[in-house]
Amino acid sequence: AQSVTQLGSHVSVSEGALVLLRCNYSSSVPPYLFWYVQYPNQGLQLLLKYTSAATLVKGINGFEAEFKKSETSFHLTKPSAHMSDAAEYFCAVTDNNDMRFGAGTRLTVKP
Amino acid sequence: GAVVSQHPSRVICKSGTSVKIECRSLDFQATTMFWYRQFPKQSLMLMATSNEGSKATYEQGVEKDKFLINHASLTLSTLTVTSAHPEDSSFYICSATRGGEETQYFGPGTRLLVL
Repeated sequence: AQSVTQLGSHVSVSEGALVLLRCNYSSSVPPYLFWYVQYPNQGLQLLLKYTSAATLVKGINGFEAEFKKSETSFHLTKPSAHMSDAAEYFCAVTDNNDMRFGAGTRLTVKP
Repeated sequence: GAVVSQHPSRVICKSGTSVKIECRSLDFQATTMFWYRQFPKQSLMLMATSNEGSKATYEQGVEKDKFLINHASLTLSTLTVTSAHPEDSSFYICSATRGGEETQYFGPGTRLLVL
C-alpha cells in the first residue's frame, strides 16, 4: 500500500525566504503525487500534481515540486515566501482512487 | 472547472438528532465521491468512497449505520450523521473525481458541532 511521510509538522520562514516542504512516498507502483493547501476552516485546494509526465511540476501561487524516484521524494518549494502562503500543506499519493495523505506541514511566514 | 460545493458550511445540532451534509460537483460529473473527517490539527481520515447508484465502501472502523452515505446522482452525494453525539463533532470534507482522473477535487468542508 502506498503512503507518504511529511518531514516536519511545522516550518517557519521569513517573508521572501525559500520555502521547502518535504514529502517522501512509498508506493509499489508508479505513483500519482499531489500537494494540497488548506487554509483555516476551508477544504483542500490542489497546488500541483505529478502524473508521470515531467518530473518538475509547476503549480499555482508560484509553487513547484520535483519528483525524484531515486530518493522517493516529492518536495514542495517556492523561491520567495509570501505572507499569504501561511497555511497547512498536505502531500498525498494515490493509486486507483485510493488517496493517502501525509500528516501535514503547517507553514508560518514571519514578516 | 472542477468545483465542489458543500452545504451547510457549519451546523450545530443537539445530541441525538441527525444531520445531513450535501456534496455537489458543480461543473462536472463525479464518477466517485469521497467523504473525509478531519480532527483539529490532524490530517484527513477517509471515511468512505461512493460511486453513483451503488452502495458506499466504508473504511475499517467507520460505522455504516452511523454515517449514511447516499450517492443518488453523478453530481450529488449526501452524508447523514445519525443520532449525533458530541464525539461526532468534527470537520467533514468531501471530494470528487471526474472520469479517468486520479485528482480529487475537494469541497470547502462542513464543520459539525454536536451539543
